[in-house]
Amino acid sequence: QKEVEQNSGPLSVPEGAIASLNCTYSDRGSQSFFWYRQYSGKSPELIMFIYSNGDKEDGRFTAQLNKASQYVSLLIRDSQPSDSATYLCAVNRYAGGTSYGKLTFGQGTILTVHP
Amino acid sequence: ETGVTQSPTHLIKTRGQQVTLRCSSQSGHNTVSWYQQALGQGPQFIFQYYREEENGRGNFPPRFSGLQFPNYSSELNVNALELDDSALYLCASSQTGESYNEQFFGPGTRLTVL
Repeated sequence: QKEVEQNSGPLSVPEGAIASLNCTYSDRGSQSFFWYRQYSGKSPELIMFIYSNGDKEDGRFTAQLNKASQYVSLLIRDSQPSDSATYLCAVNRYAGGTSYGKLTFGQGTILTVHP
Repeated sequence: ETGVTQSPTHLIKTRGQQVTLRCSSQSGHNTVSWYQQALGQGPQFIFQYYREEENGRGNFPPRFSGLQFPNYSSELNVNALELDDSALYLCASSQTGESYNEQFFGPGTRLTVL
């Protein structure tokens, strides 16, 4: 079982629709959860992170976390063609202080938003 | 605020050679992590440097080594290059001690081993 699993896609949605990206993780000691966006040929860009159960909203993006189900998701409202990219889910056991913060990534979901 | 920078952008080496990649952390950050990203895969953690010492390592052989300098910049060295080392090498900068350790990536170095 992979530590972090994502549907590789591609996920195709029409412009203006809601895109839903899902991620499951196996390590119950995970403390924080990150979503990165990666355009082709570029490096990952942090979109948002979440650490408490429930929803966290930032503009058109909403992250949802359910630690009991070991599940985290990202919703993108009013999807735009510029949102077309690979979305990477990452988890971290970082517990503060000087403990090291290794990010464990899923393989990424390719999202295509078509006009 | 200065972002994370990496050099070089691209590099072509032959099998058996050695390579050094460089990273400057974002201003205000004291920790550098290195990741390897093969085509079509998520990044894989190589190691992290904090206070000029290795502070955690992933499943990579000893021929992958690193350094951190007093100004928090870092180097990744890879000896005896193999074809499978061809990948995008990413450096991420963060501030150890902050609650959730958000990591911000540099533009990466694309290494091709022939």
